[in-house]
Amino acid sequence: QQQVKQSPQSLIVQKGGISIINCAYENTAFDYFPWYQQFPGKGPALLIAIRPDVSEKKEGRFTISFNKSAKQFSLHIMDSQPGDSATYFCAASKIAGGTSYGKLTFGQGTILTVHP
Amino acid sequence: NAGVMQNPRHLVRRRGQEARLRCSPMKGHSHVYWYRQLPEEGLKFMVYLQKENIIDESGMPKERFSAEFPKEGPSILRIQQVVRGDSAAYFCASSPGATERYEQYFGPGTRLTVT
Repeated sequence: QQQVKQSPQSLIVQKGGISIINCAYENTAFDYFPWYQQFPGKGPALLIAIRPDVSEKKEGRFTISFNKSAKQFSLHIMDSQPGDSATYFCAASKIAGGTSYGKLTFGQGTILTVHP
Repeated sequence: NAGVMQNPRHLVRRRGQEARLRCSPMKGHSHVYWYRQLPEEGLKFMVYLQKENIIDESGMPKERFSAEFPKEGPSILRIQQVVRGDSAAYFCASSPGATERYEQYFGPGTRLTVT
């Protein structure tokens, strides 16, 4: 019940295209959903995050879409650039009492390659 | 404002030795999390600590692994009698622990190789 399933495992997109990565979760107690970007040899970097009280959040070229009833959320990268080539992880956590509490449960990751 | 610091960045140990990994959280952050990333896999939660307290260690192997976050100094993840299966990247993350501040920021990781 703690799993977060991420797809696809790898994704190839042309420069300027839209990259879409999907995640599904099982635990209905999860209420915080961040996305991380990781370059080889580096630590994950927080990209964007959403709480379930909204269905969409946009920051620059990155958008999270959230479907609470389906227990799914996705990352859209608009106008994908070669510099976006990295591994992307979705994650989920349970927030208690309005402060950071829970461990992050991560998806398996998606290797994104953006061709010039 | 410096980010999360981890050292060493790379650590080589022989089987049976001890590995000691350090993590200094971001300034003002009082919550520390440790995660392990095996090759070609996602990150797995190990332990969550606040100053002088272990809050959640449900992801820690029952033997050989321990963690602490003392009142002064960095958080330490300690692996005794390392085995080849411990080879992985170990990441520390810190969080403000303040109301409406849930985000976790990751350090660069320590890559442990057991020979």
